[in-house]
Amino acid sequence: ELKVEQNPLFLSMQEGKNYTIYCNYSTTSDRLYWYRQDPGKSLESLFVLLSNGAVKQEGRLMASLDTKARLSTLHITAAVHDLSATYFCAAKGAGSYQLTFGKGTKLSVIP
Amino acid sequence: GAGVSQSPSNKVTEKGKDVELRCDPISGHTALYWYRQSLGQGLEFLIYFQGNSAPDKSGLPSDRFSAERTGGSVSTLTIQRTQQEDSAVYLCASSLAGWTGGSPLHFGNGTRLTVT
Repeated sequence: ELKVEQNPLFLSMQEGKNYTIYCNYSTTSDRLYWYRQDPGKSLESLFVLLSNGAVKQEGRLMASLDTKARLSTLHITAAVHDLSATYFCAAKGAGSYQLTFGKGTKLSVIP
Repeated sequence: GAGVSQSPSNKVTEKGKDVELRCDPISGHTALYWYRQSLGQGLEFLIYFQGNSAPDKSGLPSDRFSAERTGGSVSTLTIQRTQQEDSAVYLCASSLAGWTGGSPLHFGNGTRLTVT
């Protein structure tokens, strides 16, 4: 059974600082996704990572995937208040149709 | 273009009643998922439909839960004899067929179900 663990679950950071959210998964996965969820809203797709060493960047967010370590990271550069949200990673098990989600990281960026 | 549409957005029901939740996926998306999100928790997989194939029902928590998808488009999730632990946000998502190209799941805004 595929399990996905994120850490930290809560993150409070000052504007302008850098930080990384970690996503570990337990068995072979052939897709890794990052989503953002604002309070009371649905999930918005941020990144899809398909292969080992994949790196994708959008604005102040950069996601990477290391399939050998079963680890994905979401790096935040020079955080701004607008990035405050809950970030979920999700892994698709090889040969499965399900996405298994982590519990989410609630990010608060303090001015 | 329109995104994934879910209705109702909110539903309050009494314990023991049946409820139906509706999902209208993005046009052209043949894969459809239902997930459940409890307060402060991650997403729990419920069921997956792909085209005319038999659905993957492995995530349904009990036989009170069922889902159907008519004509490969609209889906209905039915919860019979609702219990308080069924209270959650029920999210529907759709994607292009068969995970080709790493297409992400596109989520609707969810139905918030409260069982009193």
